[in-house]
Amino acid sequence: KQEVTQIPAALSVPEGENLVLNCSFTDSAIYNLQWFRQDPGKGLTSLLLIQSSQREQTSGRLNASLDKSSGRSTLYIAASQPGDSATYLCAEYSSASKIIFGSGTRLSIRP
Amino acid sequence: GAVVSQHPSWVICKSGTSVKIECRSLDFQATTMFWYRQFPKQSLMLMATSNEGSKATYEQGVEKDKFLINHASLTLSTLTVTSAHPEDSSFYICSARKYPLSSYNEQFFGPGTRLTVL
Repeated sequence: KQEVTQIPAALSVPEGENLVLNCSFTDSAIYNLQWFRQDPGKGLTSLLLIQSSQREQTSGRLNASLDKSSGRSTLYIAASQPGDSATYLCAEYSSASKIIFGSGTRLSIRP
Repeated sequence: GAVVSQHPSWVICKSGTSVKIECRSLDFQATTMFWYRQFPKQSLMLMATSNEGSKATYEQGVEKDKFLINHASLTLSTLTVTSAHPEDSSFYICSARKYPLSSYNEQFFGPGTRLTVL
């Protein structure tokens, strides 16, 4: 059974810190990997999508990496801000059609 | 852009009634749409894949007679929760994939519909 695991489940850091969120997956034939942000009671906001042929993607203060050999992806957030507080979901495209989501990391940035 | 809308954004209904949720791709065509369900403090789980002009494909454990899916056009898929019960209360999110397919095969997500069954 293909699984996506995110550790830690919750994280609280002071404003300004750089932080890393972790995601691991069991599918060695990963198609894409995508990071989302979800605010309480809201839908998903796509942050970064990495194709299987790529190793990383960057957008502003965010950088996502993909290591297929170890089954891991990380989301790096630089200079964290209170507005970054949300749940971050990692999602693996196990095929062209199917996405498997991790359980998320609830991030809280303390002012 | 790649905007997906859902309607309604929230709905409250009585037990035993049916509720229809619409998912629309506003600025692109989508031959394939997906329906997900998210229970409180849990992640999204794929319920079914909706294909334009054909029957939906349901994931294991999802009752096709309870969750009716219709994908009658390239921009609209509907999910009808029939004879809803309190345990069907959840956050339902749809996604759509652009046609023709891109190299990313990225799915674009709607804002979700909060269903509460009393």
